Amino acid sequence: DVKVTQSSRYLVKRTGEKVFLECVQDMDHENMFWYRQDPGLGLRLIYFSYDVKMKEKGDIPEGYSVSREKKERFSLILESASTNQTSMYLCASSRGGSGKEKLFFGSGTQLSVL
Amino acid sequence: RKEVEQDPGPFNVPEGATVAFNCTYSNSASQSFFWYRQDCRKEPKLLMSVYSSGNEDGRFTAQLNRASQYISLLIRDSKLSDSATYLCVVSRSNYGGSQGNLIFGKGTKLSVKP
Repeated sequence: DVKVTQSSRYLVKRTGEKVFLECVQDMDHENMFWYRQDPGLGLRLIYFSYDVKMKEKGDIPEGYSVSREKKERFSLILESASTNQTSMYLCASSRGGSGKEKLFFGSGTQLSVL
Repeated sequence: RKEVEQDPGPFNVPEGATVAFNCTYSNSASQSFFWYRQDCRKEPKLLMSVYSSGNEDGRFTAQLNRASQYISLLIRDSKLSDSATYLCVVSRSNYGGSQGNLIFGKGTKLSVKP
């Protein structure tokens, strides 16, 4: 089965720090996504990528950037962490194609910004 | 109308009961529809895709009504292990790339009691 691995399960950072969240998938998927999930707000798309070195903004890209230098790796960067970025971050991947492909999620990173 | 709307619940049902969830969506151009399941403190996982003709997978039946823009999920003979949050997911066709990305509903919480 597809494995999507996120580098940390829990992370605590201070306001103003630069934060890197790493995600690696092992099934040669074209598409990769970063979501955040907050109580009462559901999953919201931050950024996604359909190919290496390609990125597109999702619904809430402000305060974030991404990097996809290799097909299997998609990094989310918080340039200067703020307390309102405390959240559960979920990475996902899928095969490219018709839009009916299954999303595979990593187990999530719970980020706390103090 | 919100992009994807679900009753948050919780639905508290006894074992063996039949329970149904509905979900409405606003974009008539959406092409792909799914139900995902998310256990407490876990990542979402695909439960089933929803096809125009309706589809069944064991105790689970999914229906799509394009005219009214709603999707339903029926669970028969509920088990304790069905307790989870059920996320309605709809594709968004107005994003670039070969597939539209997905919009997640906020989820409906189901609790099956002995």
